[in-house]
Amino acid sequence: EPEVTQTPSHQVTQMGQEVILRCVPISNHLYFYWYRQILGQKVEFLVSFYNNEISEKSEIFDDQFSVERPDGSNFTLKIRSTKLEDSAMYFCASRKQNSPLHFGNGTRLTVT
Amino acid sequence: GESVGLHLPTLSVQEGDNSIINCAYSNSASDYFIWYKQESGKGPQFIIDIRSNMDKRQGQRVTVLLNKTVKHLSLQIAATQPGDSAVYFCADARGGGSNYKLTFGKGTLLTVNP
Repeated sequence: EPEVTQTPSHQVTQMGQEVILRCVPISNHLYFYWYRQILGQKVEFLVSFYNNEISEKSEIFDDQFSVERPDGSNFTLKIRSTKLEDSAMYFCASRKQNSPLHFGNGTRLTVT
Repeated sequence: GESVGLHLPTLSVQEGDNSIINCAYSNSASDYFIWYKQESGKGPQFIIDIRSNMDKRQGQRVTVLLNKTVKHLSLQIAATQPGDSAVYFCADARGGGSNYKLTFGKGTLLTVNP
């Protein structure tokens, strides 16, 4: 069964550094998403992306965050200047029309 | 010292028993709900969904019940197995196309004892 794949599985970075989290959505999916889960808490919506533009973003997704689909397969989340409170699991998800979200296994981001 | 972070509701069952996990929602306009399972170190995995024009839907070993009057849904797992141990989230799915968005609940940690 096709899967959403995310790399790296764990990223450690220093406060103030830029990080790029990478995702390869399922190939025939049209809609792409990033969600975040702080340890022990619920999964929170960050941003949705369709047709090469952001469809919706949450209040968490401030100017420090950006997303990009640089080619036909990758979907990236960039955090320009990381803060301690950005430490979380970041999940990429994708879906096709009229189907549920399929999630990747996440990237654990640790900001020190 | 003071603990930090949310404490998940927990449910502990014996292998072979049936499990019932509950979820409440607040928005009367919500019309599509999904249950996700999250195993340790993995992303949420789709289990079953239900639309508001139904009050029950069955899958393999799982049943979702929806009570719109009291804004409550439940996930029933029959003959629970150790592999069912995970955090279970209900989610409210709204919109369609590029406006589709999931809002997750807090989750319930299910532990299955052999």
